[in-house]
Amino acid sequence: EPEVTQTPSHQVTQMGQEVILRCVPISNHLYFYWYRQILGQKVEFLVSFYNNEISEKSEIFDDQFSVERPDGSNFTLKIRSTKLEDSAMYFCASSEARTGGTEAFFGQGTRLTVV
Amino acid sequence: AQSVAQPEDQVNVAEGNPLTVKCTYSVSGNPYLFWYVQYPNRGLQFLLKYITGDNLVKGSYGFEAEFNKSQTSFHLKKPSALVSDSALYFCAVRDRPGNTPLVFGKGTRLSVIA
Repeated sequence: EPEVTQTPSHQVTQMGQEVILRCVPISNHLYFYWYRQILGQKVEFLVSFYNNEISEKSEIFDDQFSVERPDGSNFTLKIRSTKLEDSAMYFCASSEARTGGTEAFFGQGTRLTVV
Repeated sequence: AQSVAQPEDQVNVAEGNPLTVKCTYSVSGNPYLFWYVQYPNRGLQFLLKYITGDNLVKGSYGFEAEFNKSQTSFHLKKPSALVSDSALYFCAVRDRPGNTPLVFGKGTRLSVIA
C-alpha cells in the first residue's frame, strides 16, 4: 500500500540552526501539507502546497519556515533558525484530489527537538 | 471559523464492550468530517469520513461514526472493543471544498482493558 514517508524520524538540533525535514508524498498525489503537533497538544496546520506554490498557510508559518518541492518526488520543510518552541512532531501529508471530502494521508512524522 | 471539540481526554472501556469517542464540530458551511487514529510513535492513520449521504459511515478496523447535523456531532463507535484499539483518536473537519486545512480536535486517548 502506498504511503507517505518522512526522514529523519528524529532530529536533534541546536537553537539557531537550520533544519530540513524531508517527505516523499504518495506518487499520484498532487496536494501536500505540513502539520505539527507539540507534545500533548492538538495537531496544527502549517502549510499546503499545490502546483509548486503555497496554497494556504497558517499564522505559525512565518518567515522562518519555507517549503519546497525540489524534484518530482520530495517535499521539504525548512526552518531557518530554530527556536526552542519549534520542538514538535512534524507531519507531512498528501492527498489525491482537491475536493473537500478527500482524506489526507499522513507520514510517520519527524520528531524535532531543539536544544 | 471552524472548530472541533473532543470533550473527553481519556476513555476507558473493557475489551468486548462497545466504545464511543465523542466529537462535536462548528463550521459555517457543510462539514467534511474525518477520524484519524495515532498509535504510539506512529503517524496519523485515516479511519473514516463523512461527506454526504448516509449518516452512519463505516471505516477501517470495524469502526463506524454517526453524523448528527442537529447536534453537530460525529461520534466514533465500535460495537466490541479490542485491546489493540488502544490509541489516540483525532476528529477533524473542513468546511470548504478544495485543498483546505484540516482542523483537528485535541484528541482522545482510548484505553481498552483486557
